[in-house]
Amino acid sequence: QVQLVQSGAEVKKPGASVKVSCKASGYTFTGYYLHWVRQAPGQGLETMGWINPNSGGTNYAQKFQGRVTMTRDTSISTAYMELSRLRSDDTAVYYCARDVGPELGSGLDPWGQGTLVTVTS
Amino acid sequence: QSALTQPASVSGSPGQSITISCTGTSSDVGSYNLVSWYQQHPGKAPKLMIYEGSERPSGVSNRFSGSKSGNTASLTISGLQAEDEAEYYCCSYGGSSTFHVVFGGGTKLTVL
Repeated sequence: QVQLVQSGAEVKKPGASVKVSCKASGYTFTGYYLHWVRQAPGQGLETMGWINPNSGGTNYAQKFQGRVTMTRDTSISTAYMELSRLRSDDTAVYYCARDVGPELGSGLDPWGQGTLVTVTS
Repeated sequence: QSALTQPASVSGSPGQSITISCTGTSSDVGSYNLVSWYQQHPGKAPKLMIYEGSERPSGVSNRFSGSKSGNTASLTISGLQAEDEAEYYCCSYGGSSTFHVVFGGGTKLTVL
């Protein structure tokens, strides 16, 4: 079945960086956009951007530009999201989610299980 | 502040129907048939309920339906069941101003 499996929870200090992985299975990895979405405790969903696994092209939400980098390794069907210069308000669950296509933004399914990133001194 | 506007909460009794609205602009919701809806239970990842405005993924109950009028999209749940109690989020392609998706702030559905 189509599945996204993310890396485990992380605890980081302010100013550090975190890299979350998202391994895809059950479909052609390069055929669908992958989105990254985060959710702070008790808050709503916030888009961070997307990556085109085929070309490696990316689009980042303005709020995260300069701090986020999305990459992929097609040989292992895995996407990565790295967020730098972490602050306490970056504490959140980070999700990857596949776009159902064919158009960008058609809908996101499935979602990874989420990765809790805690930023604390 | 979220890009799309949803009511903070709605409620209904079992068996009733409810509708959740999602208001955007002519640059996002109004310009594209790319609105999706997600159900999220506490501690769980969001689940796609409606995509491309009104399409239901395989396995989603036909009690869930989506529609759009102008800059406002709507999710209707008929025959409310206790298991429908959850947070619901709308999402739209943001168009050429952002080139990524934007979410609503979420609506808490309470089944009385």
